[in-house]
Amino acid sequence: SQQGEEDPQALSIQEGENATMNCSYKTSINNLQWYRQNSGRGLVHLILIRSNEREKHSGRLRVTLDTSKKSSSLLITASRAADTASYFCATDASGGYNKLIFGAGTRLAVHP
Amino acid sequence: DVKVTQSSRYLVKRTGEKVFLECVQDMDHENMFWYRQDPGLGLRLIYFSYDVKMKEKGDIPEGYSVSREKKERFSLILESASTNQTSMYLCASRSPGGKDGYTFGSGTRLTVV
Repeated sequence: SQQGEEDPQALSIQEGENATMNCSYKTSINNLQWYRQNSGRGLVHLILIRSNEREKHSGRLRVTLDTSKKSSSLLITASRAADTASYFCATDASGGYNKLIFGAGTRLAVHP
Repeated sequence: DVKVTQSSRYLVKRTGEKVFLECVQDMDHENMFWYRQDPGLGLRLIYFSYDVKMKEKGDIPEGYSVSREKKERFSLILESASTNQTSMYLCASRSPGGKDGYTFGSGTRLTVV
């Protein structure tokens, strides 16, 4: 079952612009996490936001969480060509075994 | 840093073969996971384990089994490989309390011919 669904599926921007990716999910969660994947490689954990948090920052990353709408957004500010990757949201559902359910991801291309 | 190592980056196997995918982590994490990743479908959970000799089915366990004889090693087994098991397989371990998320291996791209 796919808990998180990212939007858009693909995003193409110029260096220096901001990139915003959205994630919607279906059930109550303990936390929501964002991961990055460079082509053909494993995923790298970026940031975790708990269900009682509304916003979190890490460097150029800003994550928001709206549990009433069951949605989250990831903002990458001042993007760089090196940010080109796929980005996935993953939810840790309440009452579960702390297993993560991933969405299909957003492919971000940042052009120099 | 936690390291999760998958034994093979690329693997080609024949239909009907028994296939072992190995995963080792070096930080004494209790929780380990196997996912497969297919275009347009994201990551789907196959099996997970919370401790030695313990295993739980994920969302798509059919055609797979797992083994966790030691804490650091979590093996995924394809009992009789089929072409629809051609995929990228990703192993992960979870930090205690989960605050640092999962650490993933680099993945094994398996092709079944």
